[in-house]
Formats: sequence, structure tokens, C-alpha cells
Amino acid sequence: KAGVTQTPRYLIKTRGQQVTLSCSPISGHRSVSWYQQTPGQGLQFLFEYFSETQRNKGNFPGRFSGRQFSNSRSEMNVSTLELGDSALYLCASSFKGSSTDTQYFGPGTRLTVL
Amino acid sequence: AQTVTQSQPEMSVQEAETVTLSCTYDTSESDYYLFWYKQPPSRQMILVIRQEAYKQQNATENRFSVNFQKAAKSFSLKISDSQLGDAAMYFCAYRSVETSGSRLTFGEGTQLTVNP
Repeated sequence: KAGVTQTPRYLIKTRGQQVTLSCSPISGHRSVSWYQQTPGQGLQFLFEYFSETQRNKGNFPGRFSGRQFSNSRSEMNVSTLELGDSALYLCASSFKGSSTDTQYFGPGTRLTVL
Repeated sequence: AQTVTQSQPEMSVQEAETVTLSCTYDTSESDYYLFWYKQPPSRQMILVIRQEAYKQQNATENRFSVNFQKAAKSFSLKISDSQLGDAAMYFCAYRSVETSGSRLTFGEGTQLTVNP
């Protein structure tokens, strides 16, 4: 079974631009979570989607948004990029996002904002 | 809100020796899961071991075992017979059972170096 895939792997943008990151979960998984990893703030939860509905949201500004498609693939969008948005963005999938599920992480997308 | 604290930013161990990584957490919930994830230089997060709070028996996975002290809110990871491939950043994480979803709260991480 293929693992979680994220595209692109690397991205360079300038301040003020917007960006869309994609995550394809493991086949059969319906829950997708997104995390931001920075040296200063560590790993922080962004949001979780299950069956095309946002189920949980972390403490991030409205510039960060996401969605999930009927095939469980998920995208996250960041508008009006700021320098502080430079980070590794990790996606994780699980079967149904229950507390007993194991989450599997993708390799991440490294976003650099200049 | 739950918090997870890893007080050791860096640790080192000699190959074949044993090392213990510390983690404490704060929660008012009685049922939850605790995890240790490994993040090698490739940045891919890999689940090492997990512990269910209502199970008193400490989890083990081959060379990896935990010491779970629920009353003390402590969850340490012991790596036995350390191997060069164990070198990575290790994260302790918490997941609630009482709230829906699979949200993980991570600690700051411990960078483990394995010396040959």
C-alpha cells in the first residue's frame, strides 16, 4: 500500500502570495490532519478533515484554510504569505480519525517565504 | 488544554548502550493516548510506540519500551541496544480520547545522537 504523499516537496514563494499544498492519504483512509513544524514553535496542529468536513481546527489565523475532496485527498491553502509561514507542513492520515487509529505521516512540504 | 514537555533538547548515547528520553504532560482527562514519534533527517515522522492511558502495562516494541507513570503524568522512552539508525529527533505526543478526532499535541522534541 502506498504511503501518504505530499506535493510539492519544496516550494519557494514571496510575501503576499498564496500557496496551495496537496496531500494524498493512504488508500482507504478518510481522515487527514495538517501540522506546521517550525524551529521556534515546534509542531502545531492546523486542522483535521474527515469525510470532506473540517472536524478540528488549531489556533491559526484565517489565512490558513483547507478542504478535503470526495476521494479523501486534501489541500491546504495559505493566503497573503508572511515570512513566518516558512515551515515544514506535514500531513497525516488515518482510517477514520478515531482515538484508536494510528496516524501515518507524509514526507512534508518545505515552504520558504522570501 | 493539554501540554506536553520534553525537557531534554539533546541526548547522546553510545552504540549498543541504553538511553532514556523523558516526557511529561499535563491533562485533566482520564483517558488518552500517548505516543513517541521519530523524525529522522528525511523529516518523515514514524510512529515508534504508543500507550493507552487506561492500560497499566507499559508498551514495548522490540528495543523500544516506555515507562508510563499516570499519576506523575510521565511517559519516558527507553531505547535498548542503540543503533546508528536510531539517531533522530524524537517527539512525545498526546491524543485525547474524550474529544473527537485525531489531533496530536506534541512536545518540543529531543535530538538523539548515537555515537559509534
